[in-house]
Amino acid sequence: AQSVTQLGSHVSVSEGALVLLRCNYSSSVPPYLFWYVQYPNQGLQLLLKYTSAATLVKGINGFEAEFKKSETSFHLTKPSAHMSDAAEYFCAVRNSGGSNYKLTFGKGTLLTVNP
Amino acid sequence: GAGVSQSPRYKVAKRGQDVALRCDPISGHVSLFWYQQALGQGPEFLTYFQNEAQLDKSGLPSDRFFAERPEGSVSTLKIQRTQQEDSAVYLCASSISGRDSEQYFGPGTRLTVT
Repeated sequence: AQSVTQLGSHVSVSEGALVLLRCNYSSSVPPYLFWYVQYPNQGLQLLLKYTSAATLVKGINGFEAEFKKSETSFHLTKPSAHMSDAAEYFCAVRNSGGSNYKLTFGKGTLLTVNP
Repeated sequence: GAGVSQSPRYKVAKRGQDVALRCDPISGHVSLFWYQQALGQGPEFLTYFQNEAQLDKSGLPSDRFFAERPEGSVSTLKIQRTQQEDSAVYLCASSISGRDSEQYFGPGTRLTVT
């Protein structure tokens, strides 16, 4: 079974600092990988996705992620944090094979941005 | 256009009560998904519909959980004889098709069982 591990349940950065949220996956085949953001009392919003094209994926709100097969990682970065980036972030992998509609999520990383 | 909507947004139930949670997907979306998000956890897959057909219910935690989508649009997740461990946010998502298209999530229903 595929799984996702997010290192760090809580990350705190200063406004303007680099944001780095870590995600490692386990999969026996090349996966589809996603990052979602969840603001309080809202649903999940897709930030970006990797679908085996370019390994560096650019998403919305200035976020990007790099797929590294050798490290089985898909870390999310943003060069300069903004107060509005404070939210919970989830990494997810989509199953391969017959059930390739099902998303498996990590436990999430809460990002706080300090002024 | 309108996104995925869910109602109620908050539900408090006494242990043993039955509850029904509603999901209105984006118009024209063929696929619909339910996920359960416990406190401090990521969402976990419950079930998947393609039109009115329930193609996968492998994530439903017990036979107290039942989902339906009779006309291929609105879906209802029913939980019978609620238990405290059922307390969670229940998320609904829809997509144009099932396998390769983006899932759009609703705001969720927060269920608290007392």
